[in-house]
Amino acid sequence: EVQLVESGGGLVQPGGSLRLSCAVSGFTFSDHSMDWVRQAPGKGLDWVGHIRHKGNSNSTKYAASVRGRFSISRDDSKNSLYLQMNSLKTEDTAVYYCARGLYDYVWGDYRPRGMDVWGQGTTVIVSS
Amino acid sequence: QSVLTQPPSASGTPGQRVTISCSGSSSNIGNNFMYWYQQFPGTAPKLLIYRSNQRPSGVPDRFSGSKSGTSASLAIRGLRSEDEANYYCSSWDDSLSGWVFGGGTKLTVL
Repeated sequence: EVQLVESGGGLVQPGGSLRLSCAVSGFTFSDHSMDWVRQAPGKGLDWVGHIRHKGNSNSTKYAASVRGRFSISRDDSKNSLYLQMNSLKTEDTAVYYCARGLYDYVWGDYRPRGMDVWGQGTTVIVSS
Repeated sequence: QSVLTQPPSASGTPGQRVTISCSGSSSNIGNNFMYWYQQFPGTAPKLLIYRSNQRPSGVPDRFSGSKSGTSASLAIRGLRSEDEANYYCSSWDDSLSGWVFGGGTKLTVL
């Protein structure tokens, strides 16, 4: 069974840091890209960023709102995905989901194709 | 302010056909596939439609997606009470180099 389990959420003060983890099982993690998506209380879905599979050099992309503050990494030997969040702001308060990213290649270019499996989410609260 | 625009709410009675629209631009919907996610309160989103009109295994064929130009829609026929949920449209945006979502549509089954 494909499973994604996030952990590491909690309460942190503005300006602080937090590291989220996503433990993966049930599929070949190293073959897949992975995304982080968040959802503020009572709001819609907001893409945070993704890390591509090793065949695409584990390259990363981020939403403008978190670029320079958040960093996504992965450890294929541990089937784990990470989200390092620094300089946290109150507006980063949200449930953070990891999701398996689908992709294909068109004329050699990597093309994201949606997110087909999601974790249950972990809650991050940024407050003084 | 979401990059993709959806109506905040939709409703229908059991058995009816309901459609949810989503509009964007040439940098997202106009040049990329459309994706739809279903989310029940307090749970994670679930992929409902991919590549604009494909259903993952296990998704009933009552759900269908379509895309035309810079707009897309999700149709649900034979509406059932268990379809009451929030629905989000999403597409890759070439200008932003990232995924964009609609603000979500809360579907109520009357």
